[in-house]
Formats: sequence, C-alpha cells, structure tokens
Amino acid sequence: QSALTQPASVSGSPGQSITISCTGTSSDIGSSNLVAWYQQHPGKVPTLMIYEGGRRPSGVSNRFSGSRSGNTASLTISGLQAEDEAAYHCISYTTNRGWVFGGGTELTVL
Amino acid sequence: QLQLQESGPGVVKPSETLSLTCTVSGGSINNENYYWEWIRQPPGEGLEWIGNVYYTGSTYYSPSLKSRVSISIDTSKNLFSLNLSSMTAADTAIYYCVTHRRGSSWHGPWGQGTLVTVSS
Repeated sequence: QSALTQPASVSGSPGQSITISCTGTSSDIGSSNLVAWYQQHPGKVPTLMIYEGGRRPSGVSNRFSGSRSGNTASLTISGLQAEDEAAYHCISYTTNRGWVFGGGTELTVL
Repeated sequence: QLQLQESGPGVVKPSETLSLTCTVSGGSINNENYYWEWIRQPPGEGLEWIGNVYYTGSTYYSPSLKSRVSISIDTSKNLFSLNLSSMTAADTAIYYCVTHRRGSSWHGPWGQGTLVTVSS
C-alpha cells in the first residue's frame, strides 16, 4: 500500500484561501468517504480537522472544509490566519481494511 | 473522556524487538465501537499507520510492516501492546497509540507519543 500523494508544501497570504490535495487510488480514497485530515503544529500531537471527507468536529473553524472527487481528496482553508501555519496530513481507509496516510504538507502563511 | 498513554523503552538496539504498551483510561477497551491502533512518525517526516486491534483480538497491519509487527489487547488490564521486531535506524520515530471509531475516519484521542530511538 503506497502512501497517498500530497504536495510537500503550500503557502498563502493572510486572508487568502488555499487547497491541499491528497491523491490516492480506487483502493483507498476512491473506495469510500472514509477520509480525514489532521493538523499538526511542531512538537504537538495531530488534531482532527475533517472526517468522513467533509465533516468538521465540534470546535473546528468553518474556515476548514473538505471534499472528495474520484481518487482525490482536498482540504480547503479559507481566510488564512497565522495560526493555520502547520503540517497537514490526510488519511484514508483502504480496501485491505487498513489505513494509509499521505506524506504530509507544510503550510506557510506568508 | 478516553485518555491513552504510551509506555516503553526510549532506546532499542538494532535487530532487537520493540515492545510498547498503551494504557487506556476513562473508558473500557472492551468496546465494540472502537479499534485500538498504533501510528508512528519519524523525526521531521509524515505519519505512518502501523496497525490496529479490535476488542476481540482481531488485527489488521500495514502491508509494509506486516512481517515484523504484532499488536495484542489485554481487556483485563485495559491496555493494548505493540511488538516490532528486527528494529533498524529507519524505525526511529515517535510512536503514538490512538483510538479509532468503528466505521468512521475519526482517529482520536491520541496518546502524547513516545520517542523510540534505535541505537547501539
């Protein structure tokens, strides 16, 4: 099972919107909506931002949204803020009944 | 509120077997609604899913680690464990124990993580 493909880095200015992609195959992202996104600040435990492809846990800002099309999932952050600067990881269920992560994306707020 | 805490050695010698334990508090591990899993993160790198165990003892492992990994559960002690054999420097990482809701992509809560370094 290969890791999902994410861009190594993305950047944006405060107030702008950015989108992070997560590309897999028909054996993972393309097989179900069981996709999640995690935010991780340096030295911290990952925090769930999106689950089931597009649902937000209570307490997560509505500036964060998720979607899925075919074998690709996406995380969009609107109204970028300095506190959004972090690493973002996608994870998907696989048809092997396991899970697979993406390589992670570093977001820089300029 | 479930809480998870990893315990185990901080340093393991090459070729040896890593053994970690995750103690669960705030709820029973003997619960059909949750899987119990291990995730790791090498320094400066991304997250890697290692595998999980259900309260029945059934397990699923990452194909890339399947030949070296074993995850078990002890419902009487409310804990689950990870064994990873033939350790190399590439296995140096922060190891997290995590709970995962059955039928959902919601993974959490997470333990604080424990850094395991492979060094002679």
